[in-house]
Amino acid sequence: EPEVTQTPSHQVTQMGQEVILRCVPISNHLYFYWYRQILGQKVEFLVSFYNNEISEKSEIFDDQFSVERPDGSNFTLKIRSTKLEDSAMYFCASRAEGYNEQFFGPGTRLTVL
Amino acid sequence: AQSVSQHNHHVILSEAASLELGCNYSYGGTVNLFWYVQYPGQHLQLLLKYFSGDPLVKGIKGFEAEFIKSKFSFNLRKPSVQWSDTAEYFCAVNFPFSNDYKLSFGAGTTVTVRA
Repeated sequence: EPEVTQTPSHQVTQMGQEVILRCVPISNHLYFYWYRQILGQKVEFLVSFYNNEISEKSEIFDDQFSVERPDGSNFTLKIRSTKLEDSAMYFCASRAEGYNEQFFGPGTRLTVL
Repeated sequence: AQSVSQHNHHVILSEAASLELGCNYSYGGTVNLFWYVQYPGQHLQLLLKYFSGDPLVKGIKGFEAEFIKSKFSFNLRKPSVQWSDTAEYFCAVNFPFSNDYKLSFGAGTTVTVRA
């Protein structure tokens, strides 16, 4: 069964550094999402992406964040100049055209020290 | 503002007990409703979903949920839990103002089933 995969599973970084979180969506899916979950809080929507463009983003997704689909398979979330409060689990999800169900990856745990 | 709330933060049960997890949303119009489960160390998996039709929906692993429009609720149930149902359960909603079917999640309920 096809799955969404994410790498790395755990990333530790120093405050102020840049990180790139990687996702490989399910191959025939066209809609991609990033969510995050700060420890003890809700899963929160960050951004959705379709046709090589951001289609919707939340208030959290400010200039510090960017997304990219650098090739036909990867979908990345870049966080510039990380802050302590960026520590969270980041989930990638993808969805097929015409279907409402999103399939989630296992998440990347980001720890900013 | 539209929101999703789950009533229980942590539920502890014995095997064979019945489970009911509450979920409410704040919006008067049509929504799409989901329950996701996250087993320890694994990714979020869809348990069941409701878009329209029969308000009692059946999902995987013996779970079901009932949509009650008048109560803005979508409660998850399982008549007899197993140790393997230990997991975190998330209610999620698509509100119609989202063009991209983004999900709004509840805070999650941790379910611990004791053998």
